[in-house]
This record gives sequence, C-alpha cells and structure tokens, in this order.
Amino acid sequence: DGGITQSPKYLFRKEGQNVTLSCEQNLNHDAMYWYRQDPGQGLRLIYYSQIVNDFQKGDIAEGYSVSREKKESFPLTVTSAQKNPTAFYLCASSGYGYGYTFGSGTRLTVV
Amino acid sequence: AQSVTQLDSQVPVFEEAPVELRCNYSSSVSVYLFWYVQYPNQGLQLLLKYLSGSTLVESINGFEAEFNKSQTSFHLRKPSVHISDTAEYFCAVSRDSGGSNYKLTFGKGTLLTVNP
Repeated sequence: DGGITQSPKYLFRKEGQNVTLSCEQNLNHDAMYWYRQDPGQGLRLIYYSQIVNDFQKGDIAEGYSVSREKKESFPLTVTSAQKNPTAFYLCASSGYGYGYTFGSGTRLTVV
Repeated sequence: AQSVTQLDSQVPVFEEAPVELRCNYSSSVSVYLFWYVQYPNQGLQLLLKYLSGSTLVESINGFEAEFNKSQTSFHLRKPSVHISDTAEYFCAVSRDSGGSNYKLTFGKGTLLTVNP
C-alpha cells in the first residue's frame, strides 16, 4: 500500500546533539512538508519542498535543516541551535490532487 | 493568503449527543476546504473535503460539513457521537489550485471529548 513512513517513532536527543528524522513516501508525490506540533498550538510549518533539490523555509525554520535529494525522501535534521526541540513532528506529502497525506509522526524528547 | 479560525479549542459532549465543530476561513480567492482527524500519538487523517459542487460533504463515519460561502464557514457536524470519536479535529484551507500543489493552512484544532 502507498503511504508515508516516518522513523523512528520515538527519539531522544541529548543537549547539543543533532538528530535526523526520516520521512519516506511511495505515493509519487511531488511536494513534501515538515510540521511541528505542540499542545494547543496546532501545526506549524518548518520546511517544505515542491520539487527535488529545492525547498523553502516555513514559519519556524530556525534550528532545523532539510534536504531533498530524492523524490521519495525528505529528512529533517534538528540541530543543536534549536533550543526547544521537544515536540511531535509530522511529515506530509501532496501530489496532483487535493489535500495532504500524513505520516504517523516522530516524538522527539530532549534528555 | 488564507487563514483559518477554529472557534472552540475544546468541545466536551456526552455519547449519542449531536456535535458541531466550528471553522471559519478568510481568503480573497476561491478555496478548497478540509477536515482532518488526529487520534492520540498518530498522524492526521483526512475526514472529508470540499472542492466544488454540492456544498454538503459527508464522511464514511457519519460526519458532515457544509460549505457556506457567504459566511465563510465550513462547520463539521455529527448527529450522534460515539466514544471512539474522541480526537482532535483540524480544519484546513488551500486556494483553488486546479489540482496543483498549494500549501494547506491549518486551524489550531478542536479537541472533541466524548464522555459516557
């Protein structure tokens, strides 16, 4: 079945450490997105990419980086510059159609 | 640019009662509208969408939403809720894109809690 796979489901980061969240899709979608979700704040857009080798900052890009070397993959790196990284991270994709397909999320905790 | 306002952050109801989750949007162009549902520790799932045509759209599990252009609203309703409907619900809008990739703008969500 087609879908989006996020891994790992749970991730723990030490202070000053970079971590990378994986997002892979087999839907042949052109566009991919990363959102951060905190209680009571809804979804906030971090980065998005509408085509391979191109991506744009969203509303809260500081402290994060992405790459889009393949159509299927859009990994997110949470760098040590992100001072409050504990959150639920959601990846989504969209194709020639309507709306998004979401992954099941990665919960990142600073220890 | 588009914006979405979900008027209630939390809606508690009793099982088998009706419920309405309110959503208003702002846009200077034609829009597509969506409702997503999120169960705890999961991603969002598409519940229903309005693209064109009939202003009343329905989901397979008994929810419906009506597009009201004059009031710029897309409220979600269910005549009788179940415990299993407990979840967070997100309203979203994008510009009418003719199928191209346009970003969705999400509301902040409404937590529906169904009590026995």
